[in-house]
Amino acid sequence: GQQVMQIPQYQHVQEGEDFTTYCNSSTTLSNIQWYKQRPGGHPVFLIQLVKSGEVKKQKRLTFQFGEAKKNSSLHITATQTTDVGTYFCAGPEDDSNYQLIWGAGTKLIIKP
Amino acid sequence: DVKVTQSSRYLVKRTGEKVFLECVQDMDHENMFWYRQDPGLGLRLIYFSYDVKMKEKGDIPEGYSVSREKKERFSLILESASTNQTSMYLCASGYRLTSYGYTFGSGTRLTVV
Repeated sequence: GQQVMQIPQYQHVQEGEDFTTYCNSSTTLSNIQWYKQRPGGHPVFLIQLVKSGEVKKQKRLTFQFGEAKKNSSLHITATQTTDVGTYFCAGPEDDSNYQLIWGAGTKLIIKP
Repeated sequence: DVKVTQSSRYLVKRTGEKVFLECVQDMDHENMFWYRQDPGLGLRLIYFSYDVKMKEKGDIPEGYSVSREKKERFSLILESASTNQTSMYLCASGYRLTSYGYTFGSGTRLTVV
């Protein structure tokens, strides 16, 4: 069945270093969404990408959607302690369009 | 500020009890969802609803049922709670079923003993 693979599962960085998480779908996605879940919190919607090759920025966060609309990335420049959490990607299930298929998430950990 | 409100943050129930988890949204969304989140298993869809009184099974509906009598309220029911239903339950609502993002509630951490 359709899968959305997200890597890495964890990433440890020093504060001030950059962070990137990648999502790869087995099928073409009509959109891809990104969410952030702080420790002990709930997922919060960050952004949706729709167009092939689309790039969007939110301050230090840069989101990209691949040309084939099968992969996406989230890059954070100069991480801060407020960036700690798990980042999820999600895209529509292709044969029903009723459900989102979720990546497993990438947990960003800031080294002390 | 738009909100999805879940009635309880923490619940402890006994095996075999009937459990009701309530969710209310104030965004006039037609679509509402119940997920469970477990370490290592990510977010798994239990049921969703795209209109009042309409419901569809997600990936893991066994042992659960839902009710949507009013647009703003979506309830998850555990007919006979079991220990393997110990989990974090997240309610969400959305303008569209698979686009424009979801707004999640704060979650209910249910422990079945």
